[in-house]
Order: sequence, then C-alpha cells, then structure tokens
Amino acid sequence: QVQLVESGGGVVQPGRSLRLSCAASGFTFSSYGMHWVRQVPGKGLEWVAVIWYDGSRKYYADSVKGRFTISRDTSKNTLYLEMNTLRAEDTAVYYCARCYGSSSTPPGYWGQGTLVTVSS
Amino acid sequence: QTVVTQEPSFSVSPGGTVTLTCGLSSGSVSTSYSPTWYQQTPGQAPRTLIYSTNTRSSGVPDRFSGSILGNKAALTLTGAQADDESDYYCVLYMGSGISVFGGGTKLTVL
Repeated sequence: QVQLVESGGGVVQPGRSLRLSCAASGFTFSSYGMHWVRQVPGKGLEWVAVIWYDGSRKYYADSVKGRFTISRDTSKNTLYLEMNTLRAEDTAVYYCARCYGSSSTPPGYWGQGTLVTVSS
Repeated sequence: QTVVTQEPSFSVSPGGTVTLTCGLSSGSVSTSYSPTWYQQTPGQAPRTLIYSTNTRSSGVPDRFSGSILGNKAALTLTGAQADDESDYYCVLYMGSGISVFGGGTKLTVL
C-alpha cells in the first residue's frame, strides 16, 4: 500500500527558508512522478510543483516559481520541497502526492500533509 | 491564465443523484486533460475518487462515476448517503507538467 509521510512543517518568519520532506513507501519510488499540493486552511487545493519520475523535469506554479525547488532522492525514497523567501501567503498545509500513472498525470495518492505557517 | 470551474455548492437528498461538473474558463474539457476527482472532509487529506476521466480508484464505491458531459468533466453520485457530504475537487492536466485544480464544490446531503 502506498504511504507518503510529510515532515518539516512549522512556523517560520517571512523571508526565511524551510525544507519539507516526504518519505515514500509501498511502491517503486523511482518509477513515479511526484507532486506537491498546498491548501490554505479553509480554502481550496492549489497545485505547487511536479517532478518527473527520474528527476529530469520539474514544473512549478507561477506563484512559487523562482522561490521553491522540488527535488527527490531515490536512494532515500524521499521527495523534497525547498521553500525560500517565504511569504505570509505561503501559509498552508502542504501535501505530497504520487502521480496516479505516468509523470504527466495528476495526483493519485496523498500524504496527510504538513502545516507551514509564515508569520513574524 | 486558464481557470478550472466548479459549482461552489450543491445539495442532494439522501438516496438522490447529483452531477458535479468541471469546466474551463475557455474551451472544452476532453479526456486528454486526464480529469481527476477528489473527495475531502474537514481536517483530512484528499481522497482520490476518479482518475483518467472515468476510472474509479481502489475501494471507491460504484455509486461514484466519472464522464465527459458536453464540454465538461462530470462526477455523478447516485444513491447519495449522509457521509458523502464533503468537498469535491477536480483537477485537469494542462500539459507541460502543469495541473490546475478547480475551486471545489461543497456538497450537502439533506
């Protein structure tokens, strides 16, 4: 069974950085693309970034482009999201999710999320 | 900027049938957008119901079905139950790695 466990959330000041991790198990990590999706409490889902199964391609939402970096470590079965120059509007629950199929497919399996709060 | 549209809210009677839709601010939704549907209750992670337009995810009851209706993707729930009361989101794959979520539909069963 697919398991995704996020960590690294917390309270951070505006302008600072934070790195989220997502530990994957129950499937062949190196065979699937992975997403980050966020949700402001009480609001809708927002797609953040995707990384191809082999790390060869990465794509970002305009709202985070140039500030966030998605990466993966196949040896550790772990997905990362490096978040720099954080803003108050980045406050959200961040979910990692596995593509349901090929790397060009939407999320199909979800973690439980980790809360990031950007506040002074 | 392409916007994915969903009804903000919908209500259905217990045992009734409801169809939620997922459209584009410009253009028509087709299977090439890989429409995917999620159910989310407060405080919980999203749960994938339907992917690739009409394929039910493992464990999802056949009361849920997906399709293309006209120029939109559609999620149909037949025989609504009280615990179907949730937020429902669709997502469309726009190409070049980009996925866009709709704003979600709050479904009330009463």
